[in-house]
Parts: sequence; structure tokens; C-alpha cells
Amino acid sequence: QKEVEQDPGPLSVPEGAIVSLNCTYSNSAFQYFMWYRQYSRKGPELLMYTYSSGNKEDGRFTAQVDKSSKYISLFIRDSQPSDSATYLCAMSMYSSASKIIFGSGTRLSIRP
Amino acid sequence: NAGVTQTPKFQVLKTGQSMTLQCAQDMNHNSMYWYRQDPGMGLRLIYYSASEGTTDKGEVPNGYNVSRLNKREFSLRLESAAPSQTSVYFCASSSDSPTGELFFGEGSRLTVL
Repeated sequence: QKEVEQDPGPLSVPEGAIVSLNCTYSNSAFQYFMWYRQYSRKGPELLMYTYSSGNKEDGRFTAQVDKSSKYISLFIRDSQPSDSATYLCAMSMYSSASKIIFGSGTRLSIRP
Repeated sequence: NAGVTQTPKFQVLKTGQSMTLQCAQDMNHNSMYWYRQDPGMGLRLIYYSASEGTTDKGEVPNGYNVSRLNKREFSLRLESAAPSQTSVYFCASSSDSPTGELFFGEGSRLTVL
């Protein structure tokens, strides 16, 4: 069983919809949770970073961590075609980047 | 601002051939990394270097070697390429900030026939 599970999609929604992307994990020691966005044929870029449980909001994006359920989510409000990308969840027990475990990514397509 | 630059972007090798992937960053970061990305497997760490002169194995180091040439440059070498090494390779760097944010290059697509 992988430490981090993520539905690969693809997920296709109409423009303006609310998108929910999710990951589950098995290691209860994870404390640092991230979402990276990867456009086609590009490298990933950090979108959201959360330490421990709770919510974090940045513009149209909200990251949510539920450590009791070992479940993290990324919500995208008022989705735009420019949000079409692969979204990778990532997590770590430590703040060191060398210890980050990545999910396999969910491919998201926003239809105009 | 170039960030992390990888070369080459594409490469086709025959089984048994060797090659080196080059990576350079201009953000004055101490730490650099090499990942591979395969469908359904996500990003997996091959090797990393926490500072100039040091390197450490990641999750999947077999079949690879690395060199941290200086603070800017970190190369990945395949001594005898195998079809299982067909993948997209990403170089990344990070600062010492608490978030440990990774900055990635655009990737090198390698096919081993």
C-alpha cells in the first residue's frame, strides 16, 4: 500500500464549478502538507502549504487537513480553464524537502 | 529569472549507453534534488544534495550517480541505461525556509530503447 493515495482522474468540470481534490495517507506522523500544481510538460510548482490540521485559504484556493481521518483536500472556487493541470498532493514528517512524499497526481480539466 | 535549468530536454538512448543530465540553479539555494516521474507513481526522489560537497541517496538510487559540482550545479549520470529508466527526470532546489518549498526545472524526457 502506498503511503499517499490520490485518485489519478481525469476530472473534468465546467468553468465556474467548485473543484474538490483529495488525498489519503497512512502515516499518522505526517505534519506538513502541500499541494503542487503541474502544467503539461512543465515542472511542479508549490500552490499551498499547511502545517498540521486545519484550513488555509489563498484566493480561490482552500487547503484542508483532517489528521484524524488522514485526509487532505484542495478546493478550487470559481474554477477557470487556466486551472487545468495535474495537482500533486505532498506531505512530510519533517520540514526538510528531502523527506517529502508525493501523491501520483490528479489530472484536472476545466471546460470553458 | 531562470530559476532551475535542465539539459537536455529530450534524449533517446539505447540500452547500455551512458549519459549525464545537467542541472543548474541561480537562486543561491543550498539543497538540490533529482526526481523521476512515472505514470501512476508520482515523483520519486533519486538523490539529493543538502550542500556543496555532500550527496545522499533517495528512494530509488540504483542505476544512478550524482555529482554536486558547485553550489549551482548538480548532475545525474546513468552509467548503463536500462529500459526501466525511461522516465521524466526533474531537478529541483530548495532554500532553508521552514516550508522547504521545492523549485523544479521543466524536466528531461528520457527514453531508453
